[in-house]
Amino acid sequence: DAKTTQPPSMDCAEGRAANLPCNHSTISGNEYVYWYRQIHSQGPQYIIHGLKNNETNEMASLIITEDRKSSTLILPHATLRDTAVYYCIALIQSSGDKLTFGTGTRLAVRP
Amino acid sequence: KAGVTQTPRYLIKTRGQQVTLSCSPISGHRSVSWYQQTPGQGLQFLFEYFSETQRNKGNFPGRFSGRQFSNSRSEMNVSTLELGDSALYLCASSLDTGHGNTIYFGEGSWLTVV
Repeated sequence: DAKTTQPPSMDCAEGRAANLPCNHSTISGNEYVYWYRQIHSQGPQYIIHGLKNNETNEMASLIITEDRKSSTLILPHATLRDTAVYYCIALIQSSGDKLTFGTGTRLAVRP
Repeated sequence: KAGVTQTPRYLIKTRGQQVTLSCSPISGHRSVSWYQQTPGQGLQFLFEYFSETQRNKGNFPGRFSGRQFSNSRSEMNVSTLELGDSALYLCASSLDTGHGNTIYFGEGSWLTVV
């Protein structure tokens, strides 16, 4: 699975959009990009995943560049409860569910 | 719909003992995987089971083992516990369609080895 690179920390103001970048320059054509977050060492919470197209759900939007070498997770209106560590992971799912977690981005939402 | 359920949530064991942790996947999910999380090493993949067979294995010693039952429930066992085995153990499950599965995690089992 491709290695992903994320900034170690970010912050944003409450109510504003949080844009979390992820670099996956060696991603292959059959690797999905997954985003999870973890709050206070609870179990990781699934946010969103995608292959090529941009994706949106009730939690967030995932924007994948056309060359698929990077992506951005967008939390449209960040709240204090969005403060967490966010993980971006590339996964070839046909090989099974083996997620390789990096160190993630620690997002702090400021009041 | 119930999520991934892990038991027990918290436990304390003594060095040299063994421990068994249990995971009930979301109904209908066939793939179950296990992870260890420690402050020093972060989240690391232990192993994955599908249809009662281990499909993937991480880089952990043989003291760590697991199994999956016909109803997809899974257990992991750690024998001869060491202090360094103190960690949050997480279980995850998915439908395993092979194409963009959503993988859900449980809340984990906190193991403290003294």
